[in-house]
This record gives sequence, structure tokens and C-alpha cells, in this order.
Amino acid sequence: DGGITQSPKYLFRKEGQNVTLSCEQNLNHDAMYWYRQDPGQGLRLIYYSQIVNDFQKGDIAEGYSVSREKKESFPLTVTSAQKNPTAFYLCASRTESAQHFGDGTRLSIL
Amino acid sequence: AQSVTQLDSQVPVFEEAPVELRCNYSSSVSVYLFWYVQYPNQGLQLLLKYLSGSTLVESINGFEAEFNKSQTSFHLRKPSVHISDTAEYFCAVSTYNTDKLIFGTGTRLQVFP
Repeated sequence: DGGITQSPKYLFRKEGQNVTLSCEQNLNHDAMYWYRQDPGQGLRLIYYSQIVNDFQKGDIAEGYSVSREKKESFPLTVTSAQKNPTAFYLCASRTESAQHFGDGTRLSIL
Repeated sequence: AQSVTQLDSQVPVFEEAPVELRCNYSSSVSVYLFWYVQYPNQGLQLLLKYLSGSTLVESINGFEAEFNKSQTSFHLRKPSVHISDTAEYFCAVSTYNTDKLIFGTGTRLQVFP
């Protein structure tokens, strides 16, 4: 089946640690996105990539980093510089007409 | 810049009643409009979209939305809701020259028996 796979589903981070969230797609889509979702705030764009080896900052990129070494993979690292990382993180990829989402990773701080 | 307003954070309704979830947008250029649905602890699923052509668009599960350019609205409607429609619904906008989606803050639809 074609789709977007995010792992893990739940992730816990200790203070001062970097953690990496995985996003893989087998849809052959060029563009991929990372969003953060907080209660009552909708989705906010962290980073996006329109092609391999290229990515751009979104609206809330501070404290996050990404890479795009392969078309199918777009991992997100939440660094220790992100002071409020507890949130639901969603990855998406885009067809010609719409973005499609994975099932998300819920990150919590221990 | 574009923006999206979902005026109702929560909409309670009884099963088999009609429902309307409101969405208004702001943009100085032509837009594409989307409704997504999110069930608890899941990602967003595309419900329907307006890109061009007929201003009334429909989903496979009975929802419909109408693009109204003069009122800058894209309200979502269903004539008779089911318990299984309980979820959070997000309206989103993008433009022809960018692939960035701008989301509203969401409306939680709660259907009661």
C-alpha cells in the first residue's frame, strides 16, 4: 500500500536531548512537510522540502532541523534549543492538488 | 498573506440533524480551499477540495462545501450527521504560486445520540 509512515507513534524526551522523528513515503512525491499541532491552534508549518537536497524554513523553524537526502525520507530533529517541544507532529507529502498526512508522532517531555 | 478563520471551536449536534461548519478566508489572490478531518490521535484526512470549476464540491461520505468568492467563505455542510462524524475539522487555504497550506484553528464536531 502507498502511504506516509511516521514513527514512532509516541516519543519521550529528556531535558537537553535531541530526538529525531521519522517520516517515510512511498508515493513518489517530491514535496514533503512537517507541521506541529497544539491544542486549539491548528497546524503550524515547521519545515518543508520541494525536492531532494533542498528544504526551507516554515513559520516556526527555531529549535528544529531537517534533512532530505532521499526522496522518500524527510526526518525531523527536535533539538534541545526547542524549549516547548511537547506537541503532536505531523508529516505530509503533496500530490499535484493536495497534501496528504501521516498518522503523527506525539512527543512528550519527561 | 492568507489567513483562515473558523468561527466555531465546537459544534454540538444530535444524530441525524443537519450541520454547518463555517470557514472564512482572507487573500489578495486566487485561492485553493480544503477541508480536512482528524479523528483522535490520527493524522488529517482530506475530506474535499476546491481548485477550480464548480463551486459546490462533495465528499464520498455526504459532506459538501460551497466556495463563495464574494463572501470569502467555504462552509462545510452535511444534511444528516452520524455518530461516526464526531471529529475535528480543519479548513485550509493555499494559492496557485505557493504550496504552503494555511490552516484554521479547527472545529470540533460532537454528535450526540
